[in-house]
Order: sequence, then structure tokens, then C-alpha cells
Amino acid sequence: AQSVTQPDIHITVSEGASLELRCNYSYGATPYLFWYVQSPGQGLQLLLKYFSGDTLVQGIKGFEAEFKRSQSSFNLRKPSVHWSDAAEYFCAVGARSSNTGKLIFGQGTTLQVKP
Amino acid sequence: GAVVSQHPSRVICKSGTSVKIECRSLDFQATTMFWYRQFPKKSLMLMATSNEGSKATYEQGVEKDKFLINHASLTLSTLTVTSAHPEDSSFYICSAREERGLDYNEQFFGPGTRLTVL
Repeated sequence: AQSVTQPDIHITVSEGASLELRCNYSYGATPYLFWYVQSPGQGLQLLLKYFSGDTLVQGIKGFEAEFKRSQSSFNLRKPSVHWSDAAEYFCAVGARSSNTGKLIFGQGTTLQVKP
Repeated sequence: GAVVSQHPSRVICKSGTSVKIECRSLDFQATTMFWYRQFPKKSLMLMATSNEGSKATYEQGVEKDKFLINHASLTLSTLTVTSAHPEDSSFYICSAREERGLDYNEQFFGPGTRLTVL
């Protein structure tokens, strides 16, 4: 079955520290991969996406993610976290084989930033 | 560009009443719209996919008679929660995408609607 796993439900980092949020997926083939951020009471904003090509993708707000096919992972990273990065982060996958546009989301990781 | 709005942002209703939530694509034509439900501290659960001019496709376990979806135009989809009960209280998020013949047509999310049923 298709699934997305974000192993870390809650992460706390100090401002200025580096960040890595993990995402693993189970899929029949390499899907489209996404990271979204959600601030409290808000909708989702796309941080970055991977479709093909370079496995290290750059996104907005200084985020990047690396696709590792052998590990079925798409971890999100940021070298230096800002207090404004505190939010909920979702990894998602979409099927290449059909163009329904349906996304499967992970459970989300809550990021807390300490001053 | 690619802005999706939802109205209302918050709604409180009495048990047994119906509530309509609107989802609009403001600067593009949304051939497909999606409705999600999000419980506190939980992921987004896809409820249904709606295509303009046709019936919505509901995900398994979602009651189509309770959650009525209409996609009457290329810029508007509505979700009506009929005979709402406290267990329907949730955060409802829509997304919209435009078919542009690409390998993948990105979907854009609305800000969400907080429904509270008393």
C-alpha cells in the first residue's frame, strides 16, 4: 500500500541550529515528492518538490531536500533555523502513473524553535 | 498568482444544521478541486476530488450524502456538510489545480475553514 511516514512527530531545535526532517515513502515506483509547511490555522504552502533530475532540490525560505531512491527517503533540511520556521511540516507523494493529482500526506512533524 | 480562497474562515453552527463552505480559485481556472479534512495534530485526509461539471469522486469511508460537493464552475467548488454533528467539527481545506498538459499539475491550497458544531 502507498504510504508516507514522517518518523518524528515533534522536533525542537534552537534558533540558528540546523534542521533535518525525515520522510520515507512506500510506493510502487518513484512518485512525485513534496514538502509543505502549515502555520497554525492556515492552509499549506509548498516548500519544494521533486519530479526528476538533480536529487537535491532547493526550495523557498532556505529549505532543501534530498531524494534518495535507495532509501525511499526525501528528507528536508535547513542549515540555520529561524524562529519563524516554527510550524507543521508535511511530506507528500503523488502518483506519476495517473494524473489524478491526488496526494498522500505523512502524519506531519511539528517544529518548535527555542530562542 | 495561483491563489485559492475559502469562505468562511470560521463557522460555528448548531447540531442538525447544514453548513456550506466555498472554495475559489482567484486567478486561474481550476479544472480539479480537492477537499481535505484535518483533525488536530493530524495529517490531511483527502475526502473527495471534484472535476468541473461532473460528480465528485469520494474517498472510501466518506459519506457522499453527508458531504455534498458541487463544482459548478471553473473557479468555484462548494462543500456542504449536511445535518452537521459535533463529530463533524474539523478543519476543512480545499486545493485546486489547473490542467495545463504538464506531467504534473501543481495544486494550490486554500487557507482552510474551521468548522465547530455545537
